[in-house]
Amino acid sequence: GQQLNQSPQSMFIQEGEDVSMNCTSSSIFNTWLWYKQDPGEGPVLLIALYKAGELTSNGRLTAQFGITRKDSFLNISASIPSDVGIYFCAGRGGTASKLTFGTGTRLQVTL
Amino acid sequence: EAGVAQSPRYKIIEKRQSVAFWCNPISGHATLYWYQQILGQGPKLLIQFQNNGVVDDSQLPKDRFSAERLKGVDSTLKIQPAKLEDSAVYLCASSSLVGTGQSSGYTFGSGTRLTVV
Repeated sequence: GQQLNQSPQSMFIQEGEDVSMNCTSSSIFNTWLWYKQDPGEGPVLLIALYKAGELTSNGRLTAQFGITRKDSFLNISASIPSDVGIYFCAGRGGTASKLTFGTGTRLQVTL
Repeated sequence: EAGVAQSPRYKIIEKRQSVAFWCNPISGHATLYWYQQILGQGPKLLIQFQNNGVVDDSQLPKDRFSAERLKGVDSTLKIQPAKLEDSAVYLCASSSLVGTGQSSGYTFGSGTRLTVV
């Protein structure tokens, strides 16, 4: 099955730094979602995007739905230790409700 | 509201044995999904139910995997016989999606970690 490409694959940053990650697809999606997964847990929804060009924030997180509908970006400002985890993008297209997930970005935050 | 419940949390079996996983979705969620997440990868859809009917099972290895949701609530996923490459986390998710309207996305359970030795 198709998977979306996320970059970077992993990041090591210092507390307080800003983080940017992106997700690209060969297919157009109507909805983009960003999830965070902690060890031993299922993914938890962070932000949902429904329109091309949309920019949405959730606290220190900001995500954008790319104009081409083939990409999305997630920014985390002023990172803190609890931001550690794996971040997944997911896309949904057409009338289908299934999600196609990205390959994940592993974030490590050092003090 | 209560989340998506899954059991067991962990399972270790030998290859060629059978195993079953259970999922109880959020109350009222008509759509239930089973995903397979291999270590280091994103989740991959195995099967999607709408109430007790299968919507999409195109990625389910039907020679060894089966799933059912008989009463449109709980669901079980079975593997028989298991192979080494089936080692993964099996995630259940549910949603209240209706048509193509906006949704806040799925709610995932904590998953069942399967190790096949």
